[in-house]
Amino acid sequence: DVKVTQSSRYLVKRTGEKVFLECVQDMDHENMFWYRQDPGLGLRLIYFSYDVKMKEKGDIPEGYSVSREKKERFSLILESASTNQTSMYLCASSLLRDRAYEQYFGPGTRLTVT
Amino acid sequence: KNQVEQSPQSLIILEGKNCTLQCNYTVSPFSNLRWYKQDTGRGPVSLTIMTFSENTKSNGRYTATLDADTKQSSLHITASQLSDSASYICVVSAANAGGTSYGKLTFGQGTILTVHP
Repeated sequence: DVKVTQSSRYLVKRTGEKVFLECVQDMDHENMFWYRQDPGLGLRLIYFSYDVKMKEKGDIPEGYSVSREKKERFSLILESASTNQTSMYLCASSLLRDRAYEQYFGPGTRLTVT
Repeated sequence: KNQVEQSPQSLIILEGKNCTLQCNYTVSPFSNLRWYKQDTGRGPVSLTIMTFSENTKSNGRYTATLDADTKQSSLHITASQLSDSASYICVVSAANAGGTSYGKLTFGQGTILTVHP
């Protein structure tokens, strides 16, 4: 079974803080993704990575950065957290050669910025 | 612009009843359509996947249909159980969008299903 884990289920941070969200997958997947999920908006792609040290912007990258130093780990960084970044953050991974493009999701981190 | 629209936004049914969720999409070039189930506080889990040539796919009490001509899909749940209470998300993949290797996904906003005893 594919397992995608996220470092925290719930996180509360103050405005202006630097926030790190960590994601680890154990199936040797090349692709990893970060999404945010807000009521009524569905999942929106923030960043994705198809290899170590490689990254590409998704649909809403503003205010975020990412890091992928190892194949199994993908980090999302909020350089200076703001209240409009309060959301559920979901990490996912997929196999490069999977033309069904199935993504496997972690349990999510609910971030509250006060 | 690629879009996926789901209806209804929310649905309440009694345990044991059937229900059908709808998904309309405008995604091109189409690769596949997947239904995910997301329990509260959890990540989405794939229920079914259908490619262009498939028009029905079942997974236990879940049956998905796809009409590629009208760009519509439905998810039918038979004999609902309390554990079916969740958000159901329709996701459409675009084939090799922009030369990427991952398949650009477009997510619907989800239908929240509540099953009451």
